[in-house]
Amino acid sequence: SAVISQKPSRDICQRGTSLTIQCQVDSQVTMMFWYRQQPGQSLTLIATANQGSEATYESGFVIDKFPISRPNLTFSTLTVSNMSPEDSSIYLCSGGQAYEQYFGPGTRLTVT
Amino acid sequence: RKEVEQDPGPFNVPEGATVAFNCTYSNSASQSFFWYRQDCRKEPKLLMSVYSSGNEDGRFTAQLNRASQYISLLIRDSKLSDSATYLCVVGSYNTDKLIFGTGTRLQVFP
Repeated sequence: SAVISQKPSRDICQRGTSLTIQCQVDSQVTMMFWYRQQPGQSLTLIATANQGSEATYESGFVIDKFPISRPNLTFSTLTVSNMSPEDSSIYLCSGGQAYEQYFGPGTRLTVT
Repeated sequence: RKEVEQDPGPFNVPEGATVAFNCTYSNSASQSFFWYRQDCRKEPKLLMSVYSSGNEDGRFTAQLNRASQYISLLIRDSKLSDSATYLCVVGSYNTDKLIFGTGTRLQVFP
């Protein structure tokens, strides 16, 4: 198994600003992903964080809005850029091998 | 049509009851299937993988019917601590991505 931590755990931000969320895994993992979970909804995959190369984004998500870095096999960041109230959500990262994914505790973002 | 569909519930059951959740998936080429549990304001956690032969873990039994593209989870002797949202999850074909259903909320009452 893998233990995943995220920082910050929550934040309140003003519209138009950006927030970078960090995800740290306690062991090397093949795959890392970023998800969004809006209130009362299930998880929606934003992108696959690829080590040493550009992330692979799902339909409806673009690099300019959600730039992602993954410099090594244990760390990734997601930036939510030029935020609007519609970006208020929980952002979760996951890591693991193939389908065996473990989730971080999430970052609760509120945009005012 | 959503890739993974579940009845959102809520299912309200008394302690000791047996409850079953169902899930359907649209991609017949899907290879891997899971049930995750998510407690309120917490991250999802893997409950169990689902195999064609069916598998059991204590009070929990999962079944997969590939012909019908249908997955089930049975919880026997429900406990108050089983109250949570249960997410049906399918591994996307040929990638390592997980596709989540909308979740079924279970509330067990005394």
